[in-house]
Amino acid sequence: QSALTQPASVSGSPGQSITISCTGTSSDIGSYHYVSWYQQHPGKAPKLMIYDVSDRPSGVSNRFSGSKSGNTASLTISGLQADDEADYYCNSYTTSSTLVFGGGTKLTVL
Amino acid sequence: QVQLQESGPGLVTPSETLSLTCAVSGYSISNGYYWGWIRQPPGKGLEWIGNIYHGGRTYYNPSLKSRVTISVDTSKNQFSLQLSSVTAADTAVYYCARLGGNRYCDYWGQGTLVTVSS
Repeated sequence: QSALTQPASVSGSPGQSITISCTGTSSDIGSYHYVSWYQQHPGKAPKLMIYDVSDRPSGVSNRFSGSKSGNTASLTISGLQADDEADYYCNSYTTSSTLVFGGGTKLTVL
Repeated sequence: QVQLQESGPGLVTPSETLSLTCAVSGYSISNGYYWGWIRQPPGKGLEWIGNIYHGGRTYYNPSLKSRVTISVDTSKNQFSLQLSSVTAADTAVYYCARLGGNRYCDYWGQGTLVTVSS
């Protein structure tokens, strides 16, 4: 299975909105509503931000939202804050009952 | 609160078997959920290794399947990872996690660095 495709980096200014894309295939993102997103600060374990494309776990800010169209999923962060600066990874369930991660996107808050 | 803690050797000799254990507290593995392992080579992205259900059903990354074994010990409330024939490419931080619906990791351990070197 091939890794999902994410941009290597994105950036935005405080208060702005940014969107991170995650492109897969009809064997993963395109087949299920099972995309999740993780935030990882340096030296820390990943944190679940979005699951099942657009659901937020308890305690995650509503500034984080997710969507999907065809084989591409997206994570949008509105009202950017300094603490949002981190690496973000998408993940999808596949038709082989496995999981696959994206390569990761480094978000820089200018 | 669910907590996971990885443990095991931090240094493994090439061609040997890497063995890690994940101790779970705050939740009984016997009550359900899937439990998995994810790794991250230094400076690189996340790679899913595999999952196990409390009843023992396993799912593995096809690229690692021939070398990976994940097992569960409900009596000790822990699950384990074995990766055989390791090389330097297996050097990584290894995380254990709980999975909701076998598809998203809602609780993570802090991670443990395993270095493969002679």
